[in-house]
Amino acid sequence: DAKTTQPNSMESNEEEPVHLPCNHSTISGTDYIHWYRQLPSQGPEYVIHGLTSNVNNRMASLAIAEDRKSSTLILHRATLRDAAVYYCILSSQGAQKLVFGQGTRLTINP
Amino acid sequence: NAGVTQTPKFQVLKTGQSMTLQCAQDMNHEYMSWYRQDPGMGLRLIHYSVGAGITDQGEVPNGYNVSRSTTEDFPLRLLSAAPSQTSVYFCASRRDRGHYGYTFGSGTRLTVV
Repeated sequence: DAKTTQPNSMESNEEEPVHLPCNHSTISGTDYIHWYRQLPSQGPEYVIHGLTSNVNNRMASLAIAEDRKSSTLILHRATLRDAAVYYCILSSQGAQKLVFGQGTRLTINP
Repeated sequence: NAGVTQTPKFQVLKTGQSMTLQCAQDMNHEYMSWYRQDPGMGLRLIHYSVGAGITDQGEVPNGYNVSRSTTEDFPLRLLSAAPSQTSVYFCASRRDRGHYGYTFGSGTRLTVV
């Protein structure tokens, strides 16, 4: 499984945008980029995924570099509820499993 | 829909005891997985299944057994509990067609003394 690299922690302020980076220089052509988040004392929650084009949903946006070796999860207006560990995961289409890394712990200041 | 249901939510075992962690989903998902999460760590895959009757090992399978007799259920058995198996266990499922995210249960917190 191709690996991803994320900062251990990030901090932002409430109501400001947050950009969470992820490097995946060994990504293959069939790997999708998935983002999950884990709120305190809860199971992980699917956020968004993409292959080549930028993606938007109600929770976040995913910006994928043209060479696909990095991506950025964008929370447009952070709230205190967005404080969580965010995981960037590569997964091939039809993947039968997810392999988690350490993720980025996001702290939101009021 | 209930989603992914894990029972029990909390359990304390003595070393050497055995038990089964239950996982059930009502979404007709083919793929199911078990993860463990130690304090301050990411999730590690224990076992996974791509359909009834089919299971495979993940990163940390030792000390655990699984079976998948129905699409809905994917129990995880601890054969002889050890303190090193103290962890939070998560079950997850997803559809097998197309590309969708996994749905996770709320976890079982297991302490082995």
